[in-house]
Amino acid sequence: QSALTQPASVSGSPGQSITISCTGTSSDVGGYNYVSWYQQHPGKAPKLMIYEVSNRPSGVPDRFSGSKSGNTASLTISGLQAEDEADYYCSSYTSSSPLFGGGTKLTVL
Amino acid sequence: QVQLVESGGGLVKPGGSLRLSCAASGFTFSDYYMSWIRQAPGKGLEWVSYISSSGSTIYYADSVKGRFTISRDNAKNSLYLQMNSLRAEDTAVYYCAREIVGAVFDYWGQGTLVTVSS
Repeated sequence: QSALTQPASVSGSPGQSITISCTGTSSDVGGYNYVSWYQQHPGKAPKLMIYEVSNRPSGVPDRFSGSKSGNTASLTISGLQAEDEADYYCSSYTSSSPLFGGGTKLTVL
Repeated sequence: QVQLVESGGGLVKPGGSLRLSCAASGFTFSDYYMSWIRQAPGKGLEWVSYISSSGSTIYYADSVKGRFTISRDNAKNSLYLQMNSLRAEDTAVYYCAREIVGAVFDYWGQGTLVTVSS
């Protein structure tokens, strides 16, 4: 199985909105509503931000939202803040093993 | 609060072995699936292995199958990863993570670095 496809980098200014895409196949992203998103700051462990496509764990700001259309999932961050600068990874359940995306570096200009 | 603390990483020669441990606290360990996930330097995340709450069901990534063994001791609230026949490409930070339904990893440890080099 190949990793899910994410853009290598995205950027935005404080206050703006950005969207990170995560493209898979009908065997992963498109086949299940089990897409998750993780935020990772340098030298830190990943942190769950979105699960089951669009659900936010307790404590995650509502500026973070998720969606899915077909084989592509998306993470949108609105009202960008400096502390949002990090790497973001999508993940999908599959019938064999969890798949991760290659990661997207978000730069807040 | 949920805490996962990995230990056991270090420098090992190719072909060598290492055993990682993950100490869990702040939740009922025996109720949860657990996984090991690794991240090579400067690279993305790669799922390595899964173990069910009772330990009866285990899965491995193809890249480690036959070389790594996952186990758990629910009495000690601990997760383990025995790594044998280590290769340079196994060099990574290894994270233990609590897993909930749908391969969602809701809590992660801080990671332990494994370096395979001669």
